[in-house]
Parts: sequence; structure tokens; C-alpha cells
Amino acid sequence: EVQLVESGGGLVQPDRSLRLSCAASGFSFGDYAMNWVRQAPGKGLEWVSGISWNSGHIAYADSVKGRFTISRDNAKNSLYLEINSLRTEDTAFYYCARDRVDSPGYHGMDVWGQGTTVTVSS
Amino acid sequence: QSALTQPASVSGSPGQSITISCTGTNTDIGSSEFVSWYQQHPGKAPKLIIYDVDYRPLGVSTRFSGSKSGNTASLTISGLQAEDEADYYCSSYITSNTLYVFGTGTKVTVL
Repeated sequence: EVQLVESGGGLVQPDRSLRLSCAASGFSFGDYAMNWVRQAPGKGLEWVSGISWNSGHIAYADSVKGRFTISRDNAKNSLYLEINSLRTEDTAFYYCARDRVDSPGYHGMDVWGQGTTVTVSS
Repeated sequence: QSALTQPASVSGSPGQSITISCTGTNTDIGSSEFVSWYQQHPGKAPKLIIYDVDYRPLGVSTRFSGSKSGNTASLTISGLQAEDEADYYCSSYITSNTLYVFGTGTKVTVL
């Protein structure tokens, strides 16, 4: 079964850091681009970051540029999102999503995890 | 990059057809063949239902169809069913540095 499982979310104080992980199974992880998408409570979807199959192409939404770092380890079938200087507006459900091809951005995201919650509050 | 504009809500009776619009600009939808649509039921992860403007992934009902004209993309749901009640989001490729932008989302209600 093709599956993505996120972990690492929780309650964090402002200005602290957090690392989210996404474990992939059931497909050849290294053949696909991957993304992080978030959804604030009661709000719409917001694309956060994407990474190509070999990490050669990485992109971020303007709202997180400079604070978020996406990375992947194809040997471990894992995707990561390092979040620094957390703000209250980063409070959201964070989804890991697979792109349909090896380069992110073009053909849609066809496999999604169930998400992990990040709550930023003092 | 601003979110693409969708109507907040659309409703229809079972069996009817409804269309959800997604309006952007000539720097996103107007210049992209990479428009996708997602369906999200409450408490669930989004599901890809249309990619590349008008292609359906395997397993997605043929009742879902996509199109694009100028700066506006559209999703049509034919033969509306109770299970189609959900939130729908469009998305477009922007640039190699920004990749995806989502629409504001549309809540579909089956009367």
C-alpha cells in the first residue's frame, strides 16, 4: 500500500524550532518529488515547500522562505521539514504530499499523508 | 503570490451538474497548463481529482472534469451525488521558485 506518515508535530513555543518527518512506503520514494502543504484551522490549503527527487531543485513559499528547510533522505525513504523561529501563524496541520513526477510543481500531488498538527503558543 | 479566487460555496441537487470556477491571472493560470483540483472531505487529507487541466487520475470518477479558458479554470461535477459534498481546491504551477499556489477553496453542498 502506498503510504505517507507524518510525525514530529506538537505544541511549541514561539521562536522555537521543530522538525517534521514523513515516512514513505509502498512506492519507490527516490523516483518522486515531494512537498509539504499546510492548512491552518478552518482555513484553506497552503503549499509550503517542494523538493525534486534528487534534492537538486528546492522551492519555498514566500511566507516561509528563510525559516523553513526541506530535505530528504532517499535511503531512508523519508522527507523532512525543519521549521525555525516558529510564529503563531505557523499553527496548522502539515501534510506531506507526493508529486506525480520527479520534479515538483507541475502535475499535481497524488499521494497525501494524514498530516501532523503544529501548534505554536506560549 | 496571492491565492487563486474560488467561490466560497456552490450547491446543487442530486443528479444535477455544478461548475466551480478558479480565477487567477496571466502569470499563473493564464500561462500554465498545470492546473490541478483537489477534493477534501472534513477531517481528511486532500485527494487529487484533476491534473494538467483536464486529466483524471486512475480511479477518479468520470463525473469530474476540468477545463481552462484564459485566466480561469473550471471543475465540473456531473450527476451530483451525496458523496461529492466536500471542499474543493484548485491549484496552479507558478514559477520554478514558487511552484504551487492554491485557490481559496469552495464548499460544495448537495441539497
